[in-house]
Amino acid sequence: QKEVEQNSGPLSVPEGAIASLNCTYSDRGSQSFFWYRQYSGKSPELIMSIYSNGDKEDGRFTAQLNKASQYVSLLIRDSQPSDSATYLCAVMFTGSARQLTFGSGTQLTVLP
Amino acid sequence: EAQVTQNPRYLITVTGKKLTVTCSQNMNHEYMSWYRQDPGLGLRQIYYSMNVEVTDKGDVPEGYKVSRKEKRNFPLILESPSPNQTSLYFCASSLQQFNSPLHFGNGTRLTVT
Repeated sequence: QKEVEQNSGPLSVPEGAIASLNCTYSDRGSQSFFWYRQYSGKSPELIMSIYSNGDKEDGRFTAQLNKASQYVSLLIRDSQPSDSATYLCAVMFTGSARQLTFGSGTQLTVLP
Repeated sequence: EAQVTQNPRYLITVTGKKLTVTCSQNMNHEYMSWYRQDPGLGLRQIYYSMNVEVTDKGDVPEGYKVSRKEKRNFPLILESPSPNQTSLYFCASSLQQFNSPLHFGNGTRLTVT
């Protein structure tokens, strides 16, 4: 069974620090990877997408992909209390007809 | 405003009473999907549709039905709800099948007693 694994947390970091969120996946051939942020009681919203090995930066967010090691990570620089949320990693596995599989999420708390 | 609209937001019902949760998107997206979210289990896909009249099962389809008669609408039907279907449900859509991000509706919190 194709799986996406995340540490459930909670992960706590002080305001201004770097938060590092990690995700591993089981299918080596996967090609599309996404990070969603979900505030409590709200719907997930897309933060980053990444398709090739390496880093992709967007403002305070950096997504890192290593297909050989089958992991994808999200770094949040200068963390703010408003970043406190659950972060969901999502992977599109190969051979599936658009079946995006989500990890269970990592709960992040940024302490003021 | 581009959006995915789900209704109702909250629903309390009893075992066995058929219900429908509606989902509509105004972005002309081809792909639509239903997920349920339960504590500790994350988002699990129920059904998805790649286009009109094309639907397929996700990971947890038992007890659910869907239809895609129009591109914008993708209702979720529970013919005979049971308490284990108590969950938070999300409808989502994307422009095309691959490499397009999902846009989520606001969710429907369903309680089956």
